[in-house]
Amino acid sequence: DAKTTQPPSMDCAEGRAANLPCNHSTISGNEYVYWYRQIHSQGPQYIIHGLKNNETNEMASLIITEDRKSSTLILPHATLRDTAVYYCIVRVENYGQNFVFGPGTRLSVLP
Amino acid sequence: AAGVIQSPRHLIKEKRETATLKCYPIPRHDTVYWYQQGPGQDPQFLISFYEKMQSDKGSIPDRFSAQQFSDYHSELNMSSLELGDSALYFCASSLGGVIYNSPLHFGNGTRLTVT
Repeated sequence: DAKTTQPPSMDCAEGRAANLPCNHSTISGNEYVYWYRQIHSQGPQYIIHGLKNNETNEMASLIITEDRKSSTLILPHATLRDTAVYYCIVRVENYGQNFVFGPGTRLSVLP
Repeated sequence: AAGVIQSPRHLIKEKRETATLKCYPIPRHDTVYWYQQGPGQDPQFLISFYEKMQSDKGSIPDRFSAQQFSDYHSELNMSSLELGDSALYFCASSLGGVIYNSPLHFGNGTRLTVT
């Protein structure tokens, strides 16, 4: 699976958009980009995923560059409850192949 | 919506004892994954099962074993426990088969403490 690079930490003001970048320059054509977050000691929470088109759901938006070498997760109106570690993961879809959790970005939403 | 159920939530064992963790996937999910997360670390993949067969294996110690049963629930068996096995253990489930981009959904974990 392709490796990802994320900034170790970011701050965001409450109510503002949080834009979390992820670099996956070695991604291959059949690898999806997934985003998860983990709020202290809870199970990782699925946020969103995509292959090459931008995606949006009730939690966030995912913007994937045209060359697919990087992506950005956007939380449109961050709240204090969005403080968490955010993981960007790329994965070839196959039966039971594992997700590899990297260092992730620790997002702190500040009042 | 139903989520992944893990039991027990907390478990305290002594060194050299055995432990069994249980995972009940989301209904209709046929794939189960086990992860271990030590203090201050990221989740580390242990093992996964698809349709009751082992599908992928990560850094699972030989002292650990797991299986998936006919009702798709899974159990992680841990023997000769060591202090270093103290961690959060997460189970996740997903739809395999024709749902090629199905994400993993995680339970809230079992916190194992070995004394």
